Amino acid sequence: AQTVTQSQPEMSVQEAETVTLSCTYDTSENNYYLFWYKQPPSRQMILVIRQEAYKQQNATENRFSVNFQKAAKSFSLKISDSQLGDTAMYFCAFTPMNRDDKIIFGKGTRLHILP
Amino acid sequence: DAGVIQSPRHEVTEMGQEVTLRCKPISGHNSLFWYRQTMMRGLELLIYFNNNVPIDDSGMPEDRFSAKMPNASFSTLKIQPSEPRDSAVYFCASSPDQGAEAFFGQGTRLTVV
Repeated sequence: AQTVTQSQPEMSVQEAETVTLSCTYDTSENNYYLFWYKQPPSRQMILVIRQEAYKQQNATENRFSVNFQKAAKSFSLKISDSQLGDTAMYFCAFTPMNRDDKIIFGKGTRLHILP
Repeated sequence: DAGVIQSPRHEVTEMGQEVTLRCKPISGHNSLFWYRQTMMRGLELLIYFNNNVPIDDSGMPEDRFSAKMPNASFSTLKIQPSEPRDSAVYFCASSPDQGAEAFFGQGTRLTVV
């Protein structure tokens, strides 16, 4: 069975600091995609960043970057220069490249950015 | 594009009543997902469709839950009869292609009293 594990239920950091959210996953697939989603208090699910497993280069999107370690099945999210607006629930997600399967989410990490 | 549209945004109903949640996916997207979010269990995939065909409904909790997708632009999730433990936020999401991310609606907050 494919699983996604986020080991940090909740985190708090000061504004402008850098924070890293952890995610590990389990799969026998070789080709797949990984995502980080953000869910602010508005409840809307927003895609933050996406990584294709066949790409060795870590994805980057402005202040958001990932550390993708395929052998270790690890996919952490780094937020640099954190801002108050980054306060949200963050979900790690996985989907195999074959679409006849599901997008599986971790249980989320609640991140608080403190002023 | 207006994005994934869900209705209603909020629903309060009495135990035993039938509840129908509605979803209009983004035009051109081939896959549609129904998720349920609770504090205890996080985001659970209930069912997903590909080209209007249900592919995996193993996440549907009980026979009280059913989902349909009569055409590419509309899906429903029905709970009959509803129970208090069904109270949650229900999300619909759609996806255009293999490996593409899912685009979420704003969710329906269901409260069963």
